[in-house]
Amino acid sequence: GAVVSQHPSWVICKSGTSVKIECRSLDFQATTMFWYRQFPKQSLMLMATSNEGSKATYEQGVEKDKFLINHASLTLSTLTVTSAHPEDSSFYICSVLAGKNIQYFGAGTRLSVL
Amino acid sequence: DAKTTQPPSMDCAEGRAANLPCNHSTISGNEYVYWYRQIHSQGPQYIIHGLKNNETNEMASLIITEDRKSSTLILPHATLRDTAVYYCIVMGGGADGLTFGKGTHLIIQP
Repeated sequence: GAVVSQHPSWVICKSGTSVKIECRSLDFQATTMFWYRQFPKQSLMLMATSNEGSKATYEQGVEKDKFLINHASLTLSTLTVTSAHPEDSSFYICSVLAGKNIQYFGAGTRLSVL
Repeated sequence: DAKTTQPPSMDCAEGRAANLPCNHSTISGNEYVYWYRQIHSQGPQYIIHGLKNNETNEMASLIITEDRKSSTLILPHATLRDTAVYYCIVMGGGADGLTFGKGTHLIIQP
């Protein structure tokens, strides 16, 4: 399967600052990537679908101006949490859509906003 | 995508086969059954998927009933590292994001 690298694995930031999370597909040309978040003791929730070279598609209730997604190449998608607040503290996970509609996931980024 | 129902938790002894059930009675003809698992504080991991035939790979076997309304994921020789939350997800052929339910928390006992 595809190997997905996510960076950083853990980040702490002050309220009001922006944080960028990178998701790299190391061995697969990924036209489509996904971003999920997971709050403690809950399941993963899809945030957005990221398509290379076009605007991301956001799920209902996810603010596109707050969670900026850029998918400028077939191997890199980034998620920027702008003006982060404590309620944005969560586990953010990306995935790559490979053949047979299988998704391969990164290890996740744990964001803590103070 | 069809809804799935899984038991919230299961225990299994190390070395024994772990059988995880999933009900998907509203599955439609073009929808596949996918299984993923998430080990604590890690990203999910793809396990196996199938349409109507039974499938086997190096990780697990997937048994789908003839009417496709339910399926069972089988881990043939469970180890402690198989302790995780297992998600059964039904979806069609589109490039859509996954809808994760609550899954089954499988605990492998030494």
